[in-house]
Amino acid sequence: AQKVTQAQTEISVVEKEDVTLDCVYETRDTTYYLFWYKQPPSGELVFLIRRNSFDEQNEISGRYSWNFQKSTSSFNFTITASQVVDSAVYFCALLDSNYQLIWGAGTKLIIKP
Amino acid sequence: DSGVTQTPKHLITATGQRVTLRCSPRSGDLSVYWYQQSLDQGLQFLIQYYNGEERAKGNILERFSAQQFPDLHSELNLSSLELGDSALYFCASSPRPLAGLYNEQFFGPGTRLTVL
Repeated sequence: AQKVTQAQTEISVVEKEDVTLDCVYETRDTTYYLFWYKQPPSGELVFLIRRNSFDEQNEISGRYSWNFQKSTSSFNFTITASQVVDSAVYFCALLDSNYQLIWGAGTKLIIKP
Repeated sequence: DSGVTQTPKHLITATGQRVTLRCSPRSGDLSVYWYQQSLDQGLQFLIQYYNGEERAKGNILERFSAQQFPDLHSELNLSSLELGDSALYFCASSPRPLAGLYNEQFFGPGTRLTVL
């Protein structure tokens, strides 16, 4: 079955600390896509990154970086030098072969000043 | 701003009633998706339309239905509402996928439905 697990329900760190959000997925498909979305307190879902199963290159975008490892079925997200504005719920999602997004339960990230 | 609009922003209604949620996709996007986000179920895919036709169905109840119109806007109809239908309903859109690729979905701000 297709499944996304975000084991960390809530993480709380002090501003400027680095933080990693874990995402583990299960799929039988050989071609698939993984996503990270951010949901700030205002409620909207903001797209952060897409990664397809053939591209295992890690990606860095400013303070954000993503580590995709097929061997461990993981797609982890790291925020470096966290800021209060990073406080949000972060969702990892898997696009299945029917083009349906399977969502993780989300990780609530709290950045304290 | 993702370019996807949803109306209304908030909706409060009573059990047994029927409501319609509206979504306008980003200009040029042919696919529209509906999702439900509730405290107990998390984010769940409901249904997808592509250029007016139903493309995929997820965990959508029989009391719920949707359609996509020729101008590509979409409506989600929820009937015989129950307390448990209280949730945030998101619409997302994406362009026609390129060969071998998939485009990300862009989400609207959501409609918060409260059933009393």
